[in-house]
Amino acid sequence: DGGITQSPKYLFRKEGQNVTLSCEQNLNHDAMYWYRQDPGQGLRLIYYSQIVNDFQKGDIAEGYSVSREKKESFPLTVTSAQKNPTAFYLCASQNRAGYGTEAFFGQGTRLTVV
Amino acid sequence: AQSVTQLGSHVSVSEGALVLLRCNYSSSVPPYLFWYVQYPNQGLQLLLKYTSAATLVKGINGFEAEFKKSETSFHLTKPSAHMSDAAEYFCAVTGGSGNTPLVFGKGTRLSVIA
Repeated sequence: DGGITQSPKYLFRKEGQNVTLSCEQNLNHDAMYWYRQDPGQGLRLIYYSQIVNDFQKGDIAEGYSVSREKKESFPLTVTSAQKNPTAFYLCASQNRAGYGTEAFFGQGTRLTVV
Repeated sequence: AQSVTQLGSHVSVSEGALVLLRCNYSSSVPPYLFWYVQYPNQGLQLLLKYTSAATLVKGINGFEAEFKKSETSFHLTKPSAHMSDAAEYFCAVTGGSGNTPLVFGKGTRLSVIA
């Protein structure tokens, strides 16, 4: 079945550690996105990529990094510079960004700092 | 720049009653509008989308939304609420040149009372 797979579902990070969240899609979509979700704040865009080897910062990119070496993969690294990383992270993909096509979402990764 | 405002962070209805979730958008270009639903600890699922073909859009699970340009609104309705409708609902907008990610509202949590 086609879809987006995020792993792991739950992730625990110690203070000062970098962690990487995985996102893989087999929908052959060009665009991929990372959103952060906090209670009462909706979804906020961290990074997005519309083509392999290219990506742009979203509204809250500080303390995060991404890569897009393959069309199907868009991993997100939460660095130690992100001071408040505890949140629900959602990855999405889209066939043609902005042309009225919907985004498809993974099941999310819940990151907790311990 | 585009944005959406969802009026009411929490809406509570009785089972069988009308569901009305409000969304107003701001866009300098003709918008594409979306409603998504999220169940606890899961990703987002598309309910319906407006892409200028018809102002009244029907979606899954009996939901529909009407695009009103004069009111810059895209409210979501369902004639009769079911217990399974209890979830969080997000309105989103995109548009323009094709290089703009979806921008989400802060969400409305719907509770259904038996």
